[in-house]
Amino acid sequence: DAGVIQSPRHEVTEMGQEVTLRCKLISGHNSLFWYRQTMMRGLELLIYFNNNVPIDDSGMPEDRFSAKMPNASFSTLKIQPSEPRDSAVYFCASTSEWGRDEQFFGPGTRLTVL
Amino acid sequence: QKEVEQNSGPLSVPEGAIASLNCTYSDRGSQSFFWYRQYSGKSPELIMSIYSNGDKEDGRFTAQLNKASQYVSLLIRDSQPSDSATYLCAALNTGGFKTIFGAGTRLFVKA
Repeated sequence: DAGVIQSPRHEVTEMGQEVTLRCKLISGHNSLFWYRQTMMRGLELLIYFNNNVPIDDSGMPEDRFSAKMPNASFSTLKIQPSEPRDSAVYFCASTSEWGRDEQFFGPGTRLTVL
Repeated sequence: QKEVEQNSGPLSVPEGAIASLNCTYSDRGSQSFFWYRQYSGKSPELIMSIYSNGDKEDGRFTAQLNKASQYVSLLIRDSQPSDSATYLCAALNTGGFKTIFGAGTRLFVKA
C-alpha cells in the first residue's frame, strides 16, 4: 500500500506568492494532521481533520494559512501571501483512529520563501 | 511550560552502549505515549508506543512509563551507529484528539 503522499517535495517561492501544499492520506485512514517543523520550534501541529471535518485549527499561525479537506483522501494547505518566516518543512500525517493509533507521516514538503 | 519536554541533547554514546532518552509531560490525563525516530531530512516514524505503567520491550528498544511521575523513557540497548537520529517523545492529550510532540533529543552513536 502506498504511504502518505505529499507534493511538491520542495517549493521555493518569493515573498507574497501563494503556496499550496497537497497531501493524500493512506487508504482507509480518516484522520489527517498538518504539521510544521523548524529547528527553532520543533514539530508544531497546525490543524487536524477527522472524517473531512476540521476539529482543531488552533495551531494555524494566522489568517494567511488555510486548510481544506474536500474529500476523504485529500487535503491542501494554502499560504497566501507567503512570508520568509513560513520557511519550514511541512508534514502531513494520517491515522485510522482519531490519533490514538500510530500516525503515518508523509515525506514532507520543504518550503523556502525568499 | 512545554507540554512535552525532552532534553535536546545531543546525547553521545559509544557503539554497544545503552542510550537512555527521557521525557516528561504536563497533561495528567494523557493515556497514550509514543516514541518516534526521525533521521536527518526524513519524516518521523513510530518505533514504540506505550499505554500502561511499566516497561514495554521490542527488540533492542524498551519504553518505560510512570504516570504518577508523568515520565516516559526510551532505552536503546546495544546502540548502533544506525540509531543516530532525533527521537521525538509524544503524548496523546486528554480526550485523545491531539498528539503533542516534544522538541526531540538528538542521539549520536559513535562507532
